Amino acid sequence: NAGVTQTPKFQVLKTGQSMTLQCAQDMNHNSMYWYRQDPGMGLRLIYYSASEGTTDKGEVPNGYNVSRLNKREFSLRLESAAPSQTSVYFCASSEASIPSEQFFGPGTRLTVL
Amino acid sequence: AQKITQTQPGMFVQEKEAVTLDCTYDTSDQSYGLFWYKQPSSGEMIFLIYQGSYDEQNATEGRYSLNFQKARKSANLVISASQLGDSAMYFCAMRSSSGSARQLTFGSGTQLTVLP
Repeated sequence: NAGVTQTPKFQVLKTGQSMTLQCAQDMNHNSMYWYRQDPGMGLRLIYYSASEGTTDKGEVPNGYNVSRLNKREFSLRLESAAPSQTSVYFCASSEASIPSEQFFGPGTRLTVL
Repeated sequence: AQKITQTQPGMFVQEKEAVTLDCTYDTSDQSYGLFWYKQPSSGEMIFLIYQGSYDEQNATEGRYSLNFQKARKSANLVISASQLGDSAMYFCAMRSSSGSARQLTFGSGTQLTVLP
């Protein structure tokens, strides 16, 4: 039982390049989330998926797209990376019917030059 | 809109002593949940404790307890008998009851350092 896994762990991009961050969970959770964490700040929600087939914008969605590929997988895409997107990205999942706890992945540290 | 405020950017505590990390929140929802997460220097987010807005008793998990004062809109984390391994960043978060998913809004965090 791996919980929430993210790939890659580290990535360096040049401005304008694109990439996809992958996230998968093996807990049969309905809801999945993408957050970003900037230095000195808490996590901010980028996008979430309440259930398979649905996605919604969070607090900071500009510059990102997401795909809920199936119940297990939720990917985050940067179409044209910008230095302002340098951050640590966390994926999380939760069983929406249970009010407590979101389970987090280990994070992806992204640097955009 | 929900808001979480953590006013202590950094805290120091002597090993084996208790420490309280402050958290205040703002919401118009009647039903909500409050969380504390620990983030060590390795970066992962570790769930510590949860309090529902309708729970009458304060939540406890081992050395962690949540001092929930609903009228004051505060949800302070108390760590008893601090250990060196407790040195980390601590985040308070609130779950929205509206919307189709259980989103969390995070505070800016408190960096706790436990001194030997």
